[in-house]
Amino acid sequence: SYELTQPPSVSVAPGQTARITCGGNNIGRKSVHWYQQKPGQAPVVVIYYDRDRPSGIPERFSGSNSGNTATLTISRVEAGDEADYFCQLWDSNTEHPVFGGGTNLAVL
Amino acid sequence: QVQLVESGGGLVKPGGSLRLSCTASGFTFSDYHMGWIRQAPGKGLEWISYIGFSSRTIYYADSVKGRFTISRDNAKKSLYLHMNSLRAEDTAVYYCARRIDYWFDPWGQGTLVTVSS
Repeated sequence: SYELTQPPSVSVAPGQTARITCGGNNIGRKSVHWYQQKPGQAPVVVIYYDRDRPSGIPERFSGSNSGNTATLTISRVEAGDEADYFCQLWDSNTEHPVFGGGTNLAVL
Repeated sequence: QVQLVESGGGLVKPGGSLRLSCTASGFTFSDYHMGWIRQAPGKGLEWISYIGFSSRTIYYADSVKGRFTISRDNAKKSLYLHMNSLRAEDTAVYYCARRIDYWFDPWGQGTLVTVSS
C-alpha cells in the first residue's frame, strides 16, 4: 500500500516560515490534502488539492506538490500555529485514504 | 452550521463489542460519503472505514476488516460503526468525518474507546 513519510517535528521561531514535507513515491502525480490538529481538538483541513485553501484558513498557509515531495508552507508563523499537521491522499489502487504519520510544529 | 457529533464510546473488555454513532446536521447527509478515522493515544490518524451515500460502496482498512461494520441511516442523518472482537490496539479516539471529493471535512469531536480488562 502507498506510504507517506513526514518528519516527526519541525521547529520555527515566530515570524519565520515553516515548511512541513510529505514524501511519497511520485506523490506529485497525486492530490495531497493537509490537516491541522491542535491538542484536544479534531483535525481541520487547511489545504486541499495540493494548494487550495478552505474559506477561513489564513493566506499564510500554502501548499505545493512535485516529484516525490508535497510541502505545506506556513509563512509568518504565529504561536497559534503550534499543532500537529497531517498530509493525506487517496490511494487509487486500493480506493483507501492514506495519512502521513504527522508532524508536530513547535513555535519557539 | 455543518456539524458531526459522535457518541457511544467507553470502556470495554477485550473481545467485547461496542456501537458508535455519529449524528449529522447542517447539510444534506444523504448526499455525502462518510468515514470513520481513529487516533490511538499519542499517535497519528488511521482511516478505518467509509461508506457511500446509498451504502452500496463500503471499504475497510485491513486492521478492522471482519470485525467492524459501518452503516448509515439517511433518514436519521446518522452514521454507525459496529465494533466486535475488540482488542487493546483498538483503543483510540474515533472520529466520524464527511468525505468531500478525496479529503474529509468536517470531523466530529471524537469519542474515546478504551479496550482494557
